[in-house]
Amino acid sequence: QVQLVESGGGVVQPGRSLRLSCAASAFAFSNYAMHWVRQAPGKGLEWVALMSYDGRNKYYADSVKGRFTISRDNSKNTLYLQMNSLRAEDTAVYYCATELGEPFDHWGQGTLVTVSS
Amino acid sequence: DIQMTQSPSSLSASVGDRVTITCRASQSISSYLNWYQQKPGKAPKLLIYAASSLQSGVPSRFSGSGSGTDFTLSISSLQPEDFATYYCQQGYSAPITFGQGTRLEIE
Repeated sequence: QVQLVESGGGVVQPGRSLRLSCAASAFAFSNYAMHWVRQAPGKGLEWVALMSYDGRNKYYADSVKGRFTISRDNSKNTLYLQMNSLRAEDTAVYYCATELGEPFDHWGQGTLVTVSS
Repeated sequence: DIQMTQSPSSLSASVGDRVTITCRASQSISSYLNWYQQKPGKAPKLLIYAASSLQSGVPSRFSGSGSGTDFTLSISSLQPEDFATYYCQQGYSAPITFGQGTRLEIE
């Protein structure tokens, strides 16, 4: 069955960087757009970034624009989120998600990023 | 950006009750409205897409309606497994935005 597995989360100091990965399996990864969505502890869902199937188009939430970069390696079936200049307010569970047939119909289990000194 | 406002923010109900959650968009989003269910420690799960289409595998007690700016999610007869947090989301234009969530609790 379709699987999305995030990794790379952890504790990082403010101002530092972290790269998240999302390994996809059991579907034609290179044919589908991919998203990152985050959820701060006890808070709601916040869309972070979107990359088109071919990597040509990228979109970002204003809260991360200029600091985060979404990318993908279709040869490795992997989505990435490079997070620079991290802030305390970036602390959240980060989910990757895709739309195989309907909007956000498949999600990973999430990876926790904690930004703290 | 399109703002999505859900009401109520929390709701207490009993097994067997019918409940309705509303979601209002700050501008017309046609039918580009989706609903998700999230349980603690789990990823969200798609329930309804395009305002009123039931996602495969979702029980028929869930239904959605609306278009333009006003939308509703209804659960016809609450089951124990339905107590969770529900989010609406607009896919009409970037940036994609979610409502703040409605927490459905057991009364």
